[in-house]
Amino acid sequence: DVKVTQSSRYLVKRTGEKVFLECVQDMDHENMFWYRQDPGLGLRLIYFSYDVKMKEKGDIPEGYSVSREKKERFSLILESASTNQTSMYLCASSSGQGSYEQYFGPGTRLTVT
Amino acid sequence: GQNIDQPTEMTATEGAIVQINCTYQTSGFNGLFWYQQHAGEAPTFLSYNVLDGLEEKGRFSSFLSRSKGYSYLLLKELQMKDSASYLCAGTLYGGATNKLIFGTGTLLAVQP
Repeated sequence: DVKVTQSSRYLVKRTGEKVFLECVQDMDHENMFWYRQDPGLGLRLIYFSYDVKMKEKGDIPEGYSVSREKKERFSLILESASTNQTSMYLCASSSGQGSYEQYFGPGTRLTVT
Repeated sequence: GQNIDQPTEMTATEGAIVQINCTYQTSGFNGLFWYQQHAGEAPTFLSYNVLDGLEEKGRFSSFLSRSKGYSYLLLKELQMKDSASYLCAGTLYGGATNKLIFGTGTLLAVQP
């Protein structure tokens, strides 16, 4: 079974702090994705990566950056957290070899106070 | 841009059948996913349609008409555990990889 894990289920940070959200997948998938999920807005793509050290902006990249130094790990960075970044963050991966199916991690509920 | 529309909420009775619709702009989309998401949990895969027609998987079936930009998820013999959000997502060609564009989800409440 594909397993996608995220470093924390719940996180509380202060405004202005630098926040790292980590995601690891164990199926040697090429593609990895970061989404945020908010009521009424659904899942929105922040960034994605199709290879090590490669990244592309999604629909809402402002205020975020990412890092993919190893194939299995994709990190989301909030350089200076703000209250409007309070959200559920979901990581996903897909094989990228003719398969579009994305496998999701359990999510990190981030609260910025 | 690409938009995916689905109803916000639906209510159905245990044992009944419910159909959740999803419409989308046809340009750019190759196929359609349905995911189930229970409260506080990750979305899990239900179905993927890339060809027109109906795909049946046990109590769940999914239909796609690419020319009409229309899909539905049909849930039969509803159980209380089917109470969840159902997410429709289109697959989009482009760039170095293929992305999913999600609708806002339909929250289904199954009542006794």
